[in-house]
Amino acid sequence: EVVLTQSPATLSLSPGQRATLSCRASQSVSSYLAWYQQKAGQAPRLLIYDASNRATGIPARFSGSGSGTDFTLTISSLEPEDFAVYYCQQGLYWPTFGQGTKVEMK
Amino acid sequence: EVQLAESGGGVIQPGGSLRLSCAASGLTVSTNFMSWVRQAPGKGLEWVSILYPDGATYYADSLKGRFAISGDTSKNTLHLQINGLRAEDTALYYCAGSSRPNLGDFWGQGTLVTVSS
Repeated sequence: EVVLTQSPATLSLSPGQRATLSCRASQSVSSYLAWYQQKAGQAPRLLIYDASNRATGIPARFSGSGSGTDFTLTISSLEPEDFAVYYCQQGLYWPTFGQGTKVEMK
Repeated sequence: EVQLAESGGGVIQPGGSLRLSCAASGLTVSTNFMSWVRQAPGKGLEWVSILYPDGATYYADSLKGRFAISGDTSKNTLHLQINGLRAEDTALYYCAGSSRPNLGDFWGQGTLVTVSS
């Protein structure tokens, strides 16, 4: 099983700040890496697929990068609605998720 | 607009069985990659099962033998049969669909399964 490790566990930031979230895979997953946003009481929402492609309707402030084992999700300028938990997920092998990074308001 | 609506959850005793359903609109179950993903209370996400457009089915290794995914073309509905329920199966079960394998473009709101005596 591919283990995805996300860091940090919690990110405390203010609106307007830049958020940088990391996801490291235990083995190469090429570019088969997705990012999801989950707000309390809601289903996950796909943000990024294939490491760097924004899903339909996702604002340009969300961007993804990386390949192989190291990936990054960047939110260029946090909006109030962006405070949530973010999960990375690999799809090269049996799908697995990271443990999540909570982006909380400072 | 794609909508996925899960149903069938509830409180069930250990060892019991349950059949979850996911009614789809705006997306055809038989021509997409349809998945079940679960989330235990306060925990992260776990991919449970996938149904491919060609009818192939796949399961998480730890769940093989107790779970069965299927699709009903006439009702455009996805099902998940769970047998031998255990306390650790307690979770919110989400239905997800995508035009690509191993991805969740669209999600339902989930149905809660609680295994308790």
